[in-house]
Amino acid sequence: DVVMTQSPLSLPVTLGQPASISCTSSQSLVHSDGNTYLNWFQQRPGQSPRRLIYHVSNRDSGVPDRFSGSGSGTDFTLKISRVEAEDVGVYYCMQRTHWPLTFGGGTKVEIK
Amino acid sequence: EVQLVESGGGLVQPGGSLRLSCADSRFNSSLYWMNWARQAPGKGLEWVANINQDGSESYFVDSLKGRFTISRDNAKKSLYLQMNGLRAEDTAVYYCARGRDMAVWGQGTTVIVSS
Repeated sequence: DVVMTQSPLSLPVTLGQPASISCTSSQSLVHSDGNTYLNWFQQRPGQSPRRLIYHVSNRDSGVPDRFSGSGSGTDFTLKISRVEAEDVGVYYCMQRTHWPLTFGGGTKVEIK
Repeated sequence: EVQLVESGGGLVQPGGSLRLSCADSRFNSSLYWMNWARQAPGKGLEWVANINQDGSESYFVDSLKGRFTISRDNAKKSLYLQMNGLRAEDTAVYYCARGRDMAVWGQGTTVIVSS
């Protein structure tokens, strides 16, 4: 199975400051069709997950543009340009290039 | 606006069975792959299984093969997860999610396996 490793596990951030979450895969996530199937999800406290970014860098409808995704191969990053209070929660990366689909362990974003 | 609604969770004894359902209230879900994922208490997300649009293909995480079955009824816009031989470690919130990239998630249904 492809292991998805996220860092840091916990990320205390000051409101208005940037935040960055890293996700590293144990194998390249470039599919044989040329696409890279790496997605990012946000889970606010007490809520179900919500997809933010799909295929590395495509923001979902309704997702604020302060969220951005980047990366290639085995190294990926989710960035929040200016953290707001509503961004508190746990963030997960997920790959579906290889079976089975696997999630990272999560990064908890909290306000300092 | 809630689009996917899971049901069927509850308290079950070890070795018991449950059938979870996921109803799609908005979209023609027959156009999409559908997934089940779960989250044990205080833990991260785990993908469980998915099924293609007409139900002819399905895939499971290896650890659950043989105990869980995924199916769908497109006429009823519903997805199912039949869970047999339940164990304490199956205790979790179970979510359904639409699409191969899990674009939309339901609110989840809680399964507790305990005597």
